[in-house]
Amino acid sequence: QSVLTQPPSVSAAPGQKVTISCSGSSSNIGNNYVSWYQHLPGTAPKLLICEDNKRPSGIPDRFSGSKSGTSATLGITGLQTGDEADYYCGTWDSSLSAWVFGGGTKLTVL
Amino acid sequence: EVQLLESGGGLVQPGGSLRLSCAASGFTFSSYAMSWVRQAPGKGLEWVSGIGGSDSSTYYADSVKGRFTISRDNSKNTLYLQMNGLRAEDTAVYSCAIYVASEGYMDVWGKGTTVTVSS
Repeated sequence: QSVLTQPPSVSAAPGQKVTISCSGSSSNIGNNYVSWYQHLPGTAPKLLICEDNKRPSGIPDRFSGSKSGTSATLGITGLQTGDEADYYCGTWDSSLSAWVFGGGTKLTVL
Repeated sequence: EVQLLESGGGLVQPGGSLRLSCAASGFTFSSYAMSWVRQAPGKGLEWVSGIGGSDSSTYYADSVKGRFTISRDNSKNTLYLQMNGLRAEDTAVYSCAIYVASEGYMDVWGKGTTVTVSS
């Protein structure tokens, strides 16, 4: 069982918007930056969002991040079939002195 | 171009050992913390271990503490993971990643090397 809680799956039609939640606690999300990663099978995971809501160079503005208290959210607008992947949130846990990931959310673009 | 290339994976019997390597290029290796992350078949990402850039402080997931040792050779731009006492549940693809400690995120990842623990 992961320290960070994500929904196992989400789905939406092409062109629509989807959000993926990530719930934690004061020892992790509440006091540390959250980052989000996209992972397609057989490839290296890709950083989508860092420092709660910043997009690295090359990441389109269809991807956004936000945080409130001990929860974070990844938003994806203008869904494309190429967005089908597993998405993970991650952060440092100060109590565990360890990095923690959410369990991952599989995005299906119908 | 920043590149991370893992090697050293393979098939090993339960209780055996393996040493993984991660060859880094395209950035100042000694300036960055590094991490190992794994993904077991059908499972999500699991952080395994991390090491500081200059101070080489080390951190481990409870699942590998006492069995795995992370280290680095800054003169060779290489990160290592020594894995002892391997168990079936250690079967996974192991990837290394650059960890930007100041802002807390994993920037660039390698594609990984596969470790299979089976008799």
